[in-house]
Amino acid sequence: DAKTTQPPSMDCAEGRAANLPCNHSTISGNEYVYWYRQIHSQGPQYIIHGLKNNETNEMASLIITEDRKSSTLILPHATLRDTAVYYCIVRAAYSGAGSYQLTFGKGTKLSVIP
Amino acid sequence: DGGITQSPKYLFRKEGQNVTLSCEQNLNHDAMYWYRQDPGQGLRLIYYSQIVNDFQKGDIAEGYSVSREKKESFPLTVTSAQKNPTAFYLCASSPNPLAGYQETQYFGPGTRLLVL
Repeated sequence: DAKTTQPPSMDCAEGRAANLPCNHSTISGNEYVYWYRQIHSQGPQYIIHGLKNNETNEMASLIITEDRKSSTLILPHATLRDTAVYYCIVRAAYSGAGSYQLTFGKGTKLSVIP
Repeated sequence: DGGITQSPKYLFRKEGQNVTLSCEQNLNHDAMYWYRQDPGQGLRLIYYSQIVNDFQKGDIAEGYSVSREKKESFPLTVTSAQKNPTAFYLCASSPNPLAGYQETQYFGPGTRLLVL
């Protein structure tokens, strides 16, 4: 699976949009971009994933650049409960030997400030 | 309420003792996984199971054992052979992986294991 790069930390004012960037310049054609978050001492929570089109669900929007080398997760109206570590993961669409593991990097620690 | 439950939330192990962590899911998922997370670190795969009565070792299976007798349940035993068991243990599940297409993994709340 391709490597990802995320800023170690970000702040966002409560009620504003949080835009979390992820660089995945070595992504290949059959790899998806996944986003998870982990609130302190809880299990990771799935947020959204996409291949090349932008995606939106009840939690967030995912914007993937046309060349697929980077993406941005958008939380439209951040609340204090969105304070967490956000992980961007690139993962092959098809399983193969050793590909079942989700590889979490260090992620971005998002702090939502009142 | 559909989801994955793990129990207990905290578990204490004495030296030389085996302990078992519970993981149950009612999502009708075929695949289940166990990960270990150490402070400030990413997740490492211990074991995974694609179907009942079958499981495979992950990257760090030594000192651990699992069983998959029922679709809903995938308990993890931390044996006395695991010399550094203190960690946060996460169970996950995903729909049928055997079609060759990787499905989204969903996680339980985790069990924190501490050694006395």
